[in-house]
Amino acid sequence: SQQGEEDPQALSIQEGENATMNCSYKTSINNLQWYRQNSGRGLVHLILIRSNEREKHSGRLRVTLDTSKKSSSLLITASRAADTASYFCATERDSNYQLIWGAGTKLIIKP
Amino acid sequence: EAGVTQFPSHSVIEKGQTVTLRCDPISGHDNLYWYRRVMGKEIKFLLHFVKESKQDESGMPNNRFLAERTGGTYSTLKVQPAELEDSGVYFCASSQESMGTQYFGPGTRLLVL
Repeated sequence: SQQGEEDPQALSIQEGENATMNCSYKTSINNLQWYRQNSGRGLVHLILIRSNEREKHSGRLRVTLDTSKKSSSLLITASRAADTASYFCATERDSNYQLIWGAGTKLIIKP
Repeated sequence: EAGVTQFPSHSVIEKGQTVTLRCDPISGHDNLYWYRRVMGKEIKFLLHFVKESKQDESGMPNNRFLAERTGGTYSTLKVQPAELEDSGVYFCASSQESMGTQYFGPGTRLLVL
């Protein structure tokens, strides 16, 4: 079973708008990662945020982590058509390197 | 409905030995993917099956890795002979459509000593 839960399950916005996706989890974690899955090919790693970090940026991406609420958010600013994809969060517990995956958010950017 | 399952959950072997990892996809999912995450790094794609056929195996690192999916149900990934750098977590995912959402298993942690 998957621990993480992303919401919304699907999000459709206009190009140029910001997109926010959330992820909740149930147990303590070592880190939380966000991945993007473009059509069919596979996953692309976006950002890893450790349990002692609260916010991280990478280009147009901003990730926050609230360990007290066991939740994380991924913000994509100034969205582009190429951002259309499914976005997953995955949590890593302890140091066993296994990941617990969320179901993903399907993001559609309308031109 | 059962999700994607992988067996074993972890394996410790010596360099030169053989290890076989198994993935059982969600029932009815024709598409099956293997990924690998080397210690501390990001996940990388290995290959993609559609039913029993290899659709894309461009991510397979070398010929010590052999993936099979006889009958189009479960898949195995064999590493022979294992090397130290093969250590990591091997993930399997399945999807109903080729461009559909992939559902991931928990992974098999492989440690080669």
